[in-house]
Amino acid sequence: EPEVTQTPSHQVTQMGQEVILRCVPISNHLYFYWYRQILGQKVEFLVSFYNNEISEKSEIFDDQFSVERPDGSNFTLKIRSTKLEDSAMYFCASSAGLAGVGDTQYFGPGTRLTVL
Amino acid sequence: AQKITQTQPGMFVQEKEAVTLDCTYDTSDQSYGLFWYKQPSSGEMIFLIYQGSYDEQNATEGRYSLNFQKARKSANLVISASQLGDSAMYFCAMREGNQAGTALIFGKGTTLSVSS
Repeated sequence: EPEVTQTPSHQVTQMGQEVILRCVPISNHLYFYWYRQILGQKVEFLVSFYNNEISEKSEIFDDQFSVERPDGSNFTLKIRSTKLEDSAMYFCASSAGLAGVGDTQYFGPGTRLTVL
Repeated sequence: AQKITQTQPGMFVQEKEAVTLDCTYDTSDQSYGLFWYKQPSSGEMIFLIYQGSYDEQNATEGRYSLNFQKARKSANLVISASQLGDSAMYFCAMREGNQAGTALIFGKGTTLSVSS
């Protein structure tokens, strides 16, 4: 069964450093997403991406964040200068882009980012 | 106002019993989708079941069913014949509108504990 994969599973970085989180969406999916979950809190939307452009973004997704599809399979989230409050689980998701309300988003296993 | 409300921080159930996890939502859109995800202690987000706003029948998926009461804006998850492996955090989520790429809005989750 196709699944979303993410690497690394855990990333530790120093405050102020840049990190790149990687995702391989399900191969025939058209929409890609990043969410984050701060420990013990609810899942929050960051950004969605379609046809090499940002489709929607939240207030959290400020200038320190960027997304890219560098090739035909990978989808990345870059955090330019990490802050302590960026410590969270980051989930990548993808969806087929079905018309109507039933376009299900399938999540990857997450990358736990720890900023020291 | 909260878009998705899950009022039960924790629920306890014995194996083989049924359990209902509550979810209420708030939207002015006529088109929306409601989703339930399971997050085991390992951290991944697993899609369980989906209900569209125009669906007249309650969704079912194996042991999972969704008790959709549109007038009350509730979308409760029913798990029949609970198993030890059902112990996890359960999130209710909503997607407003019928355009793909739209963010999922999550509730705070309910922790389900199944005992033998």
